[in-house]
Amino acid sequence: KAGVTQTPRYLIKTRGQQVTLSCSPISGHRSVSWYQQTPGQGLQFLFEYFSETQRNKGNFPGRFSGRQFSNSRSEMNVSTLELGDSALYLCASSMGSNNEQFFGPGTRLTVL
Amino acid sequence: DQQVKQNSPSLSVQEGRISILNCDYTNSMFDYFLWYKKYPAEGPTFLISISSIKDKNEDGRFTVFLNKSAKHLSLHIVPSQPGDSAVYFCAARGYSGTYKYIFGTGTRLKVLA
Repeated sequence: KAGVTQTPRYLIKTRGQQVTLSCSPISGHRSVSWYQQTPGQGLQFLFEYFSETQRNKGNFPGRFSGRQFSNSRSEMNVSTLELGDSALYLCASSMGSNNEQFFGPGTRLTVL
Repeated sequence: DQQVKQNSPSLSVQEGRISILNCDYTNSMFDYFLWYKKYPAEGPTFLISISSIKDKNEDGRFTVFLNKSAKHLSLHIVPSQPGDSAVYFCAARGYSGTYKYIFGTGTRLKVLA
């Protein structure tokens, strides 16, 4: 069974730009969660999608948004990028939100 | 407000000895706890978990202990191996309409050969 895939793996953007990250969950998984990892902050929860609906949201500004498609693939968008948005963005999929999560390798975003 | 804390950012242990990674939490309603291991350039991988109704769970060299009264859990690795060198995250599951996982800040374990 293929694992969680994330594209792109690395991304460099400048302040003010916007970015879209993509996540393909494990086949059959309907829940996709997004996390931001920065040094010293651990994994900060962004949001969770289940069957194309956002079910849970963390404490991030509205510049961070996401969506999920009917095939469970998910995208995350960050608009008006700031230097502090530089981080590793991880996507995790699971059968449901009360099941074990499987993580993708992440997208390393650098904002210059 | 960090509900799940890993107060040791790093830990070094000799190969063959025991590694003990600690995690504290503040919310007594968390019902499930997990440990993940993360290597550089890879996503976290699930290691071991424990339900709040248990106080110990063992899987090979890995044992997780839960002390609910102290709101503390620990991961023991015995014996430690160089391949265990990684960042370890503890996570707690809470419920507020839906389940949500809260992660700690991670502890970088270095096992010295």
